[in-house]
Order: sequence, then structure tokens, then C-alpha cells
Amino acid sequence: AQSVAQPEDQVNVAEGNPLTVKCTYSVSGNPYLFWYVQYPNRGLQFLLKYITGDNLVKGSYGFEAEFNKSQTSFHLKKPSALVSDSALYFCAVRDTGGNNRLAFGKGNQVVVIP
Amino acid sequence: DTAVSQTPKYLVTQMGNDKSIKCEQNLGHDTMYWYKQDSKKFLKIMFSYNNKELIINETVPNRFSPKSPDKAHLNLHINSLELGDSAVYFCASSQVSTGLYGYTFGSGTRLTVV
Repeated sequence: AQSVAQPEDQVNVAEGNPLTVKCTYSVSGNPYLFWYVQYPNRGLQFLLKYITGDNLVKGSYGFEAEFNKSQTSFHLKKPSALVSDSALYFCAVRDTGGNNRLAFGKGNQVVVIP
Repeated sequence: DTAVSQTPKYLVTQMGNDKSIKCEQNLGHDTMYWYKQDSKKFLKIMFSYNNKELIINETVPNRFSPKSPDKAHLNLHINSLELGDSAVYFCASSQVSTGLYGYTFGSGTRLTVV
């Protein structure tokens, strides 16, 4: 089965510093990878996806992610973090079974310190 | 206009009761999902319907029964509620037939069983 791993529980970063949230994947075949963000008491919001093409994917709110096949990683990045970026971030991979199931990682809490 | 709407937003009920959660999407998507988010924020798929047909039915107690009267609606009925059913339940939709594999999520229903 396809899976993703988010090794860290929480990421603390000072406002204005670069933000990285890590994700590694395990798939058979070509991966379809996603990042979502969840603000408190809200549903998940789509940030970006990698299906094919350029390894650097740009998404919403200034986020981008780099697909690295050799390292089986899909880390989320933002050059300069804002306090409003404090949220829970989920990496996800699409199942290849044809049912469009997304398997989510455990989530990373990001805390941006003013 | 809310793309994926769930009702109710909060649900507090006693053990043993039967309750329903409703979900509607106005995006014209062909596939809808129910996910459960537990207290540790893990997201686990429960069910998925494609054009009113059940395509994913994970290992959940048969007290949980989804119903899709049409492709814009997916409801979740839970019989004989137990304390362990307390969680946030998210509805989501996607358009699989055109390759838009990402999900659009509702804002969630926080179910508390007392």
C-alpha cells in the first residue's frame, strides 16, 4: 500500500525564517503527492500537488514543494514564514488502486514564533 | 457559496443513540468520501462513493452506514453510538474522471459521545 511519513511532530520556526516540513513517501509506480493545511477547527485545505512534470511545485500562500525521486521525498517549503502559517500540515499520497483513496501522514504542527 | 458543506458542525449525544451527519457538495464532483480524524489528528478513510456507488468500505463497525442518494450528497448514519466514536468526521469530494485527484474538504463535524 502507498504511504507517506512525516517524521517530525512539531516544527518551530521564527517569523521571517525559512519553513520546511518534511515528507517521505513509499509507493509502487509513479507517486501522486499532495500537501494540505488544517487551521484550528477547520477542514483541510489543498496547498499543492505533484502528479508529473517539474520537480518544484508551487502552491497556495507562497508554499512550494520539491519532489525528489532519489530520496523519495516531497518536502514542503516556504522562504519566509508568517505567524498566520501556524497550523497542522498533512502530506498525502494517492492510492494506485484506481479508487482515488488518499493516504495521509500523521500531520506536522507548525508553530511560527513572532 | 460553500463547496462542501456538512451538518451539523457539532454533535453531542449520549451513548447508545443513533445519529446522522449530512454532507453536500456543489462542485459537480463525481466522488465523495468520509474520513475520521481522531484525537491525535490521524486521518483515516472510512467510505467513498463514486456516482452513488460504494467503492471504498474500510474496516469500520457496521454501526456506521453511509448513504448516497445522489452524487452531490453523502450522509453518514451511526447506530448505537459508543464513546470511541468521538472524533471529527470530514466529508470530502473529488472529480476523479477528469484527473483532479485532490480533495475538497468540508469543515468537519465534531462528534462527542458522552
